[in-house]
Amino acid sequence: DAKTTQPPSMDCAEGRAANLPCNHSTISGNEYVYWYRQIHSQGPQYIIHGLKNNETNEMASLIITEDRKSSTLILPHATLRDTAVYYCIVKRNYGQNFVFGPGTRLSVLP
Amino acid sequence: DARVTQTPRHKVTEMGQEVTMRCQPILGHNTVFWYRQTMMQGLELLAYFRNRAPLDDSGMPKDRFSAEMPDATLATLKIQPSEPRDSAVYFCASGLVQTNGELFFGEGSRLTVL
Repeated sequence: DAKTTQPPSMDCAEGRAANLPCNHSTISGNEYVYWYRQIHSQGPQYIIHGLKNNETNEMASLIITEDRKSSTLILPHATLRDTAVYYCIVKRNYGQNFVFGPGTRLSVLP
Repeated sequence: DARVTQTPRHKVTEMGQEVTMRCQPILGHNTVFWYRQTMMQGLELLAYFRNRAPLDDSGMPKDRFSAEMPDATLATLKIQPSEPRDSAVYFCASGLVQTNGELFFGEGSRLTVL
């Protein structure tokens, strides 16, 4: 399985964009990039996923580099409720398991 | 809203006792995962079912843990005998393998073994 590398923690000011990086230099051609987040004491929550094109939904945007070796999750206007641990995972769309690393602990500050 | 339901939400037991955690996946989902989360180890995959068949339980201590899906609406994770090191939050998640692979997680069962 491709592995990911994320910074252990980040801070972001409320109302500003939060940009969370993820390195996945060994990603295979058929592996997708998934992002989940876990708010304290809750189960992880799906945010977004993509293969090679940039993706956007109501929660966030996902920017994947052309070589697919890294990606960035963007929360355009972070709020205090976005304080959570954010996990970047790479896997094939079908099959394989979701393997969660330590993630990035994002603190949104007032 | 459809959601994954886990019971019990909290369980305190003594070492050596049997513990059973239950999960009701979202109706129609054909994959079920069991994860364990501790401060030290983070989220660890214990078992993975597809269409009720176990596909991967390599993360599960076989001597004391067992996971089953007696039917499509129920997944169970049993620990017998329980040990203090089993204290953790156990999450169940379900999904549809043939779609985008998004997983839906339950709220977890917090287990404390004294």
